[in-house]
Amino acid sequence: NAGVTQTPKFQVLKTGQSMTLQCAQDMNHEYMSWYRQDPGMGLRLIHYSVGAGITDQGEVPNGYNVSRSTTEDFPLRLLSAAPSQTSVYFCASRPTGRRNEQYFGPGTRLTVT
Amino acid sequence: AQSVTQPDIHITVSEGASLELRCNYSYGATPYLFWYVQSPGQGLQLLLKYFSGDTLVQGIKGFEAEFKRSQSSFNLRKPSVHWSDAAEYFCAVGLNTGTASKLTFGTGTRLQVTL
Repeated sequence: NAGVTQTPKFQVLKTGQSMTLQCAQDMNHEYMSWYRQDPGMGLRLIHYSVGAGITDQGEVPNGYNVSRSTTEDFPLRLLSAAPSQTSVYFCASRPTGRRNEQYFGPGTRLTVT
Repeated sequence: AQSVTQPDIHITVSEGASLELRCNYSYGATPYLFWYVQSPGQGLQLLLKYFSGDTLVQGIKGFEAEFKRSQSSFNLRKPSVHWSDAAEYFCAVGLNTGTASKLTFGTGTRLQVTL
């Protein structure tokens, strides 16, 4: 098992550019989520999904889109990057029936200039 | 809404000394509680979790935590710290019902270990 994988590890964008952060898991987990981590603020939930075709907003969803067409993949899209989106992004997944024990990917460090 | 407070931003301990990291939560029902550790440049790794039952839970790497309902606390402890324990530690609380399964994290405590 590769667990939760994220690509890319690092990315630099200019303001206004768009991009997609990739997240995949090979553990057949139903629940997947995206967090952003900023200094002094812990991790904040952006979007989550309880299964293929079902997504919902978290605490800080503005500026981000998600979709879940398969159980394995949960990409995060930045439509028009802003400097405020400079952060480290973590994807996580959780097995069905074991509430809240989430497994995290290694993260993507995004800088928007 | 639930919330988590980690009052110590940064703690320094000597190798071999004992450690206690504080975590207080605010939640109306019995919470699910977690401690995660993050080494520099890495993702988060689950140390231990509390769902119900015995209030003293054991985790990996020699860590333990005690759930105290009366104090709304879930402090993390280790009797003897190793230099490799230097990392950032996050306490988190999860919803107890439904399938949304959202976690709320504290702001983290950075642990420095001196030799």
